Amino acid sequence: KQEVTQIPAALSVPEGENLVLNCSFTDSAIYNLQWFRQDPGKGLTSLLLIQSSQREQTSGRLNASLDKSSGRSTLYIAASQPGDSATYLCAVGSGNTPLVFGKGTRLSVIA
Amino acid sequence: DTAVSQTPKYLVTQMGNDKSIKCEQNLGHDTMYWYKQDSKKFLKIMFSYNNKELIINETVPNRFSPKSPDKAHLNLHINSLELGDSAVYFCASTLTSGSLVQYFGPGTRLTVT
Repeated sequence: KQEVTQIPAALSVPEGENLVLNCSFTDSAIYNLQWFRQDPGKGLTSLLLIQSSQREQTSGRLNASLDKSSGRSTLYIAASQPGDSATYLCAVGSGNTPLVFGKGTRLSVIA
Repeated sequence: DTAVSQTPKYLVTQMGNDKSIKCEQNLGHDTMYWYKQDSKKFLKIMFSYNNKELIINETVPNRFSPKSPDKAHLNLHINSLELGDSAVYFCASTLTSGSLVQYFGPGTRLTVT
């Protein structure tokens, strides 16, 4: 059974810092890995999707990497801003099966 | 231009009542899901439908009954609501022949008193 773990559970950084969020999964037989952002009381916004054949994806200040063999992914956020404050969720998918989510990392960027 | 929409956004009701949550997607996707996010913010799958057919039904009480009248809609009916049903329920959809990105609705916050 797939399990997804995210470390740290919470992170607080000053504005402008670069930071890394970690995600690990137990079963490497995945089709893709998706990073989401969730603002308090809001839904999920998809940030990046990495297919199993890919090593990384970039969107603006965000870069996500995937190492299937070791069951790990990282989300790198460059030059963090207060507007980046949110909970970041990692989820792995296998085909069109439902995503298995981690419990998220709650990020606070202090101005 | 909402891609995945849910109604209502908030639902407060008493124990024992029956309620429904509706979900619609206008993305042309063929697979839809219901997820539950509990008080600890942990998201877990409840149901998955592909082309109106149930393909995944996790360990969910049979008080929960999904219904998919067509590919664009997946509704969730809950009978005899209990306090433990209080959570945020998210609908999502994906295109199985595409990139498999899942798009989520805004969620329905259900509070059972």
